[in-house]
Amino acid sequence: KQEVTQIPAALSVPEGENLVLNCSFTDSAIYNLQWFRQDPGKGLTSLLLIQSSQREQTSGRLNASLDKSSGRSTLYIAASQPGDSATYLCAVLSNTGKLIFGQGTTLQVKP
Amino acid sequence: NAGVTQTPKFQVLKTGQSMTLQCAQDMNHNSMYWYRQDPGMGLRLIYYSASEGTTDKGEVPNGYNVSRLNKREFSLRLESAAPSQTSVYFCASSEAFAGFNEKLFFGSGTQLSVL
Repeated sequence: KQEVTQIPAALSVPEGENLVLNCSFTDSAIYNLQWFRQDPGKGLTSLLLIQSSQREQTSGRLNASLDKSSGRSTLYIAASQPGDSATYLCAVLSNTGKLIFGQGTTLQVKP
Repeated sequence: NAGVTQTPKFQVLKTGQSMTLQCAQDMNHNSMYWYRQDPGMGLRLIYYSASEGTTDKGEVPNGYNVSRLNKREFSLRLESAAPSQTSVYFCASSEAFAGFNEKLFFGSGTQLSVL
């Protein structure tokens, strides 16, 4: 059974710092991995999607990497800003067609 | 630019009452999903509809029913609400099901409390 884990559960950093969020999964047979952002009381917004054949994807200050063989993905946020404060979730699309979510990392960027 | 619209945003029910959560998307997506989000449990799939006319159980379907009314709309029904169904419910859609490049688009959620 696919399990997705995100560590740490919460992270607090000063503004301007570069940071890395981690996601690990137990079954490497995945179609893709997605990173989402969730603001309090809101739905999820898709940030980046990495197909199983890809190693990384970039969007602005965000860079996501995927290492299928080790079951790991990282989300790198450069020059963090207070507006980046949110919960970040990763999810893997398993070969059963189901999207399995991690529990998320809550990020606080302090001015 | 509506995307995925869910109603209602908040609901309080008494144990045993029934209700239907509504979801509509305007992106001409084929696949739609219902998730619930609970503290410490992450998001779990309740039911999904890979395409119009089909529905399938997800990870936690007990106590729920769904209807894919047409391509745009996918409703979730609680026939006899229980306190264990207190949660935040999200509807989502994607252009196709289980594709290598399929992003999910989420609604803003329904916060449901069952007393």
